[in-house]
Amino acid sequence: DAGVIQSPRHEVTEMGQEVTLRCKPISGHNSLFWYRQTMMRGLELLIYFNNNVPIDDSGMPEDRFSAKMPNASFSTLKIQPSEPRDSAVYFCASRPTGGNQPQHFGDGTRLSIL
Amino acid sequence: DQQVKQNSPSLSVQEGRISILNCDYTNSMFDYFLWYKKYPAEGPTFLISISSIKDKNEDGRFTVFLNKSAKHLSLHIVPSQPGDSAVYFCAASILSEKLVFGKGTKLTVNP
Repeated sequence: DAGVIQSPRHEVTEMGQEVTLRCKPISGHNSLFWYRQTMMRGLELLIYFNNNVPIDDSGMPEDRFSAKMPNASFSTLKIQPSEPRDSAVYFCASRPTGGNQPQHFGDGTRLSIL
Repeated sequence: DQQVKQNSPSLSVQEGRISILNCDYTNSMFDYFLWYKKYPAEGPTFLISISSIKDKNEDGRFTVFLNKSAKHLSLHIVPSQPGDSAVYFCAASILSEKLVFGKGTKLTVNP
């Protein structure tokens, strides 16, 4: 079975540029989560969707960050304009809705803003 | 404030011995707890979980213990193997929604 697929795996860009991270959840999973991992703050939730609807975006750091889920098999996290402090590893996770179900993570996108 | 804490950044054990990883939490509303294992350049992999209605859950070499009165959970790995060397994250949630993670404990199992 294919797991959560994220692209690109690595992204290096200059500050001020727009960055788009992509995620394909596991088929049949109705909930999708975006996390950011940094040395200082560890793994923190940015936003999550249930059935393609954003439920909680309280972790999104600034208006420069936005996330969409146009359908059940695709989500994007966009940063515009990007800044050096956005450098981190961004993970996407998905899980089935209902009951106690674990989230399954992709391998992440390592983002470096110069 | 850090709602989930893993106070040991690292742990080193000998192969074949028991590894015990600890986690404390502050929010009494948490009702579902999980452990994830993470290798470098990979995403966290789900290992084992426990609901707040239980105090123990076992899966092969891995056992998670939950002490609700102390707001403490632990992961026991017996026997430890070199392949278990990874960073282990404790996580907690309310109604299985948002996961709050600890900062991880790096486990090294020496042959």
